[in-house]
Amino acid sequence: DSGVTQTPKHLITATGQRVTLRCSPRSGDLSVYWYQQSLDQGLQFLIQYYNGEERAKGNILERFSAQQFPDLHSELNLSSLELGDSALYFCASSVMDTTNYGYTFGSGTRLTVV
Amino acid sequence: KNEVEQSPQNLTAQEGEFITINCSYSVGISALHWLQQHPGGGIVSLFMLSSGKKKHGRLIATINIQEKHSSLHITASHPRDSAVYICAVLGANFGNEKLTFGTGTRLTIIP
Repeated sequence: DSGVTQTPKHLITATGQRVTLRCSPRSGDLSVYWYQQSLDQGLQFLIQYYNGEERAKGNILERFSAQQFPDLHSELNLSSLELGDSALYFCASSVMDTTNYGYTFGSGTRLTVV
Repeated sequence: KNEVEQSPQNLTAQEGEFITINCSYSVGISALHWLQQHPGGGIVSLFMLSSGKKKHGRLIATINIQEKHSSLHITASHPRDSAVYICAVLGANFGNEKLTFGTGTRLTIIP
């Protein structure tokens, strides 16, 4: 157990639907990062939150949004789902606002859009 | 052209062989990370490098900033080392937390 908890582990949903992925960071970590891993594009950085505020944004679609709550857990909301959104979604956490001092990945949520 | 290139894409070796995986990047970086992803999908951070060399057990990572190149070496490889190894770089601009990933090297160690 890495200390970063992601739920659910697997999710199957239909096109057009909306889902919420949840990430609880390791105790003491203030930063949460979201990544998408698809077969055709590999791993891509989506977004980072630090202590409740958006810190950096990557290749995140407008249909996707995220937030980090006061208890530091984070949610990634994916809406108007398309087949191409099928992917593994990872979150990672770090104690500071940079990955340069170490960070830990969760085990991922496998999303299948049918 | 991808900002981060890894080679080889696939590597099969016999148990005990010395393994080298290469990563080249084209942008200025503040750090380079090596990650390991097992078949179940979980990702583990192996090393973070900004210069020189790091060693952890049978794993050694080196980086040459001038040549924009890093290598991951595995000594005395074992079937449990079979995984995908991913190189990722962190941009040099302060506050740029966008990790850019290579496409990974799939390593298979045969007993």
